[in-house]
Amino acid sequence: KQEVTQIPAALSVPEGENLVLNCSFTDSAIYNLQWFRQDPGKGLTSLLLIQSSQREQTSGRLNASLDKSSGRSTLYIAASQPGDSATYLCAASGSARQLTFGSGTQLTVLP
Amino acid sequence: ETGVTQSPTHLIKTRGQQVTLRCSSQSGHNTVSWYQQALGQGPQFIFQYYREEENGRGNFPPRFSGLQFPNYSSELNVNALELDDSALYLCASSLDTGIGELFFGEGSRLTVL
Repeated sequence: KQEVTQIPAALSVPEGENLVLNCSFTDSAIYNLQWFRQDPGKGLTSLLLIQSSQREQTSGRLNASLDKSSGRSTLYIAASQPGDSATYLCAASGSARQLTFGSGTQLTVLP
Repeated sequence: ETGVTQSPTHLIKTRGQQVTLRCSSQSGHNTVSWYQQALGQGPQFIFQYYREEENGRGNFPPRFSGLQFPNYSSELNVNALELDDSALYLCASSLDTGIGELFFGEGSRLTVL
């Protein structure tokens, strides 16, 4: 059974700082790994999708990496802004056609 | 905005009642998945529908059931509501069942009293 863990559970940084969010998964037999953003009380916004054959994906100030052999993914956010404050969730897609989510990292970027 | 719409956005029920939540998938997507997100937790997979058939199910009891219609919209039905069913219910649509990107709606917030 796939298990996904995100560390830290909460993170507070000053504006402008570069930061890394961590995601680990127990079963390396994944199809892809997806990062989402969730604002309070809202749905999920897809940020980046990394297929199992890929090592990283980039979108603007965001860069996600995937290392299947070690069961890890990271989300790198450059030059953080107060508008980046949200909960960030990673999810692994496996053969059961479902996403297994971590519990998220709640990010606060202080002005 | 993803194009996935859910209704209602909020609702309150009492224990033992039944509820139906609705989802309209993104244009061109033939697969709908439902997730339950308790407060402070990541979403948990309930089930997936592909071309009107259930195509995978998570660890949820049979009182959670669903439908998918020919236009690929979907319903989630929950019978005999329990207090622990209080959660945000998220619908996600995708093109085909396996490895594609999922697009989520804004969710339906269910409170069971």
